[in-house]
Amino acid sequence: DSGVTQTPKHLITATGQRVTLRCSPRSGDLSVYWYQQSLDQGLQFLIQYYNGEERAKGNILERFSAQQFPDLHSELNLSSLELGDSALYFCASTGGPNTGELFFGEGSRLTVL
Amino acid sequence: GQSLEQPSEVTAVEGAIVQINCTYQTSGFYGLSWYQQHDGGAPTFLSYNALDGLEETGRFSSFLSRSDSYGYLLLQELQMKDSASYFCAVRGGGADGLTFGKGTHLIIQP
Repeated sequence: DSGVTQTPKHLITATGQRVTLRCSPRSGDLSVYWYQQSLDQGLQFLIQYYNGEERAKGNILERFSAQQFPDLHSELNLSSLELGDSALYFCASTGGPNTGELFFGEGSRLTVL
Repeated sequence: GQSLEQPSEVTAVEGAIVQINCTYQTSGFYGLSWYQQHDGGAPTFLSYNALDGLEETGRFSSFLSRSDSYGYLLLQELQMKDSASYFCAVRGGGADGLTFGKGTHLIIQP
């Protein structure tokens, strides 16, 4: 158990809908990352927050947004969903902003029908 | 931006040694990490190299050459449970986050 909690574990929705994925980092971790992993694909970096502020941004679509709240939990919002958004979405946390050691949650599997 | 190259698949025999290579391109460099991921599971951290040289953790070792933008993960005394995907990841300068390679699927044969 990494200490990172993601909800929901599974989500099935329809095209055009909007969903919110939630992540609670390890106790004390200030940095939260979001990654997308499609079938047989690598981990695509979406966005990083550090202590409530956006720290780094990857190839995150404009239909996607995220935020980190004062209690350090984070949410990833996916809107106008398309079939291609079906993927496993991972959240990871770590203490510092630039470390290479991330602790991953079990992921949220999104299926868009 | 950042990019990494690693083989898509490697096959080895139980009990043997295998090396998974990774080359990277990045502007600025903090370090190279390695992660293991079993099918359907979460990636788990294996090692991190910020400086040149070899880091050893049990049966796993990781090497970095910053001048060659190259690193490798060495797995010794392979066990069937080591069958998984292995990802290298690089943290560069700027606001690029931690970028992962596409992963190497390690197949272990008895």
